[in-house]
Amino acid sequence: QKEVEQDPGPLSVPEGAIVSLNCTYSNSAFQYFMWYRQYSRKGPELLMYTYSSGNKEDGRFTAQVDKSSKYISLFIRDSQPSDSATYLCAMSSGGSARQLTFGSGTQLTVLP
Amino acid sequence: NAGVTQTPKFRVLKTGQSMTLLCAQDMNHEYMYWYRQDPGMGLRLIHYSVGEGTTAKGEVPDGYNVSRLKKQNFLLGLESAAPSQTSVYFCASNIRTVSYNEQFFGPGTRLTVL
Repeated sequence: QKEVEQDPGPLSVPEGAIVSLNCTYSNSAFQYFMWYRQYSRKGPELLMYTYSSGNKEDGRFTAQVDKSSKYISLFIRDSQPSDSATYLCAMSSGGSARQLTFGSGTQLTVLP
Repeated sequence: NAGVTQTPKFRVLKTGQSMTLLCAQDMNHEYMYWYRQDPGMGLRLIHYSVGEGTTAKGEVPDGYNVSRLKKQNFLLGLESAAPSQTSVYFCASNIRTVSYNEQFFGPGTRLTVL
């Protein structure tokens, strides 16, 4: 069993839809939770970061962490064609080397 | 400020050939990482370094070697390439003093081993 599980999709939604992306994990030591966005043939870039449990909002994006259920989510409101990308969840226990464990990524397409 | 750069962008090798991938960062970051990305597998850590002159194995280190002779550079070597090493390779860096774990990624190197 992988430490981090993520539905690979692909997910296709119409413009303006609310998108929900999710990851589950098994390592209770994880305390830093991130979402990276990766456009086609580009490197990943950090989109959202959350420490421990709770919600964080940034514009149209909301990240949620439920440590009791070992479940994290990313919500995209009013989705735009420019949101079309692969979304990777990533987690860390905050060790000395700051290693991240990534999900397999969910490919999202927002149709105009 | 170029961030993280990778050389080359593309490469095709024959089985058994060797090559070195170069990663350079101009952000004075202490930590550097090499990942490979395969369809359905996400990013998997190959090797990493927490400072100049230090390296350590990640999740999938077999068949790869690394060196960090200068703080700004992290080299990934394939001594005898195999078709299973066909992948997209990403380098990343992270600054030690920040409490969270944002890693800055390069644009990637697409490697095909025939």
